[in-house]
Amino acid sequence: DQQVKQNSPSLSVQEGRISILNCDYTNSMFDYFLWYKKYPAEGPTFLISISSIKDKNEDGRFTVFLNKSAKHLSLHIVPSQPGDSAVYFCAATNYNTNAGKSTFGDGTTLTVKP
Amino acid sequence: DGGITQSPKYLFRKEGQNVTLSCEQNLNHDAMYWYRQDPGQGLRLIYYSQIVNDFQKGDIAEGYSVSREKKESFPLTVTSAQKNPTAFYLCASSMQQGVSPLHFGNGTRLTVT
Repeated sequence: DQQVKQNSPSLSVQEGRISILNCDYTNSMFDYFLWYKKYPAEGPTFLISISSIKDKNEDGRFTVFLNKSAKHLSLHIVPSQPGDSAVYFCAATNYNTNAGKSTFGDGTTLTVKP
Repeated sequence: DGGITQSPKYLFRKEGQNVTLSCEQNLNHDAMYWYRQDPGQGLRLIYYSQIVNDFQKGDIAEGYSVSREKKESFPLTVTSAQKNPTAFYLCASSMQQGVSPLHFGNGTRLTVT
C-alpha cells in the first residue's frame, strides 16, 4: 500500500506559466512534508518543506500548499523556467521521526518548454 | 565544499559477487542513510544509522549490509543474496536533531549481469 502518491508521472508547461505538482498521502501520522528536485544522474536536492501546523509555505518562486483534511499537498512554481525541468519527489514523515525515514512518492517529471 | 561523495558513479558486477558502495560525508551530520531507486519509482530506504556503531534496517534491507565505524563513512555492501541488485543507489545524511532535510550524494548506478 503506497502511503505517498504522486498520480501524475509527468507534466509539461510553457516557460513563464505556473507548474502545479500534486501529492496525496494516506497515513494520518504524517505531519511534515518535503519536496525534493532531482536532475538525471544526480542525487535529489531539498526544495521546500511544510509542517502540518501550516497550510502554506513560500520560498521565492516555490510555494507548497497543504490541505490536511484532504491529505493533499501541492507544489506551485511561478513562473516556471526551463531550468526547473527535473523530477520532483514528494516525501512525508512524522516530526518525531528523523527526516531520513521519510516515505517518498514515485516522482513527477516536469518539463518546462521555452 | 561540504557534501556527500559516492563512489564509483558506475559499477558493474557479475551475479553472485558481493560489492561495496562507498559513501563519505564532510557535513558533520550524525545520521546517514542508503536509498535505492528503481526506474519510475520513488526512493526506498535500505538502512540508516543515527550514530556511529549503530544502524537499523529500513524497508528493504534483505540482501544488504552496512557498517558505521566512522561518523563520515557509511559503506553499503550488496550481497549475492539480493535478488534484484541492479539499481541506482543513493546515500544521504541529515542532522540528527529535529526534522531536517536529507542531503544526497550523486548516486552509484550498479549493474549486475
